[in-house]
Amino acid sequence: QQKVQQSPESLSVPEGGMASLNCTSSDRNFQYFWWYRQHSGEGPKALMSIFSDGDKKEGRFTAHLNKASLHVSLHIRDSQPSDSALYFCAASVSNMGYKLTFGTGTSLLVDP
Amino acid sequence: DPKIIQKPKYLVAVTGSEKILICEQYLGHNAMYWYRQSAKKPLEFMFSYSYQKLMDNQTASSRFQPQSSKKNHLDLQITALKPDDSATYFCASSQGTGGYEQYFGPGTRLTVL
Repeated sequence: QQKVQQSPESLSVPEGGMASLNCTSSDRNFQYFWWYRQHSGEGPKALMSIFSDGDKKEGRFTAHLNKASLHVSLHIRDSQPSDSALYFCAASVSNMGYKLTFGTGTSLLVDP
Repeated sequence: DPKIIQKPKYLVAVTGSEKILICEQYLGHNAMYWYRQSAKKPLEFMFSYSYQKLMDNQTASSRFQPQSSKKNHLDLQITALKPDDSATYFCASSQGTGGYEQYFGPGTRLTVL
């Protein structure tokens, strides 16, 4: 069973719209969570990290973490065509923060 | 200028052969990693190195051997290649081995025929 599950598998939003991505982990040892974005033909790039319960906002991106339910979400407001990419949730345990376990990804398409 | 260089970008190999994937980082980071991304599968952690020492090996096969000749280099040697090894291999690095951001290279896409 995949330890980090993402939904939806794919998502299409209009330009200027809100995209909401979800991630659920099955391992309660996970303490560190990251959102990565990967454009076609490139390596993943970190968008933001979230280590504490609650919301974290960076520009148009807001992450939410609920450790009790092992749920992380990412919300992208005012979506742009350049946001079209694969989005990955990644998690790690506190004493092995370097070892990222990635989810299966959400493919986001922003229609201009 | 690219901060993490991976060479080659594309690689085609025949079954049973051996290849070396090159990775160099110019971010001044002390930790380096290898990940694999296969079709229909999530990115998979393979190895981690810190100060040129192996910290973690999550590959089941000894056919995969990382090699660190310099602090900012971490190559990946793959022997006795199989078609199942076909994937994109990403090198990454981070400032430390705690919850630091990992920076990924552009990847080497390996196809084994």
